[in-house]
Amino acid sequence: GAVVSQHPSRVICKSGTSVKIECRSLDFQATTMFWYRQFPKQSLMLMATSNEGSKATYEQGVEKDKFLINHASLTLSTLTVTSAHPEDSSFYICSALQGLSDTQYFGPGTRLTVL
Amino acid sequence: AQSVTQLDSHVSVSEGTPVLLRCNYSSSYSPSLFWYVQHPNKGLQLLLKYTSAATLVKGINGFEAEFKKSETSFHLTKPSAHMSDAAEYFCVVRGPGGYQKVTFGTGTKLQVIP
Repeated sequence: GAVVSQHPSRVICKSGTSVKIECRSLDFQATTMFWYRQFPKQSLMLMATSNEGSKATYEQGVEKDKFLINHASLTLSTLTVTSAHPEDSSFYICSALQGLSDTQYFGPGTRLTVL
Repeated sequence: AQSVTQLDSHVSVSEGTPVLLRCNYSSSYSPSLFWYVQHPNKGLQLLLKYTSAATLVKGINGFEAEFKKSETSFHLTKPSAHMSDAAEYFCVVRGPGGYQKVTFGTGTKLQVIP
């Protein structure tokens, strides 16, 4: 149980385009999901907290107009990187909070490369 | 405020020998503590968690951790390392109650030598 998926696992795009990443909780409902960014050989940095049916809460320094988050259902949150630039290239990881265990379960991550 | 410090960025052990990955935390409240493992280019897998119950927590794959309040530590151990244990390990602290945001340590890369 407590499986979280992400799609796509890898994406390469041109500078200026937008990319959407999906995060799904497969066997549980999650009112709260989180989006993280991980630079090479570094730890995870929380970008935003996604709450089903309401606006996401962004961490300081994260541009909400650039990183659009939508949490339209109890099993799906999406992160859209708008007008992507090479500096947005990173490993993006989502997690979903399972209420029963009060624990975050993480997706496998999405490697974004912006050319 | 909460923080977590992983004292070693790299740990190297021989296969079959014990593993010790150190973690110290700081929290204004009684924290919840977690250890996650990340294999290359993969997401994070929960190894174990402490949430104010038993101080010695057993996790998956033979790992365990002991919560020591007096030392503000939550070190991860395994009696005998396996080659498949080679990965990055993250210690994570979370505040009390409904506060769900977590803080990650900087990670410890475990190398297992055959």
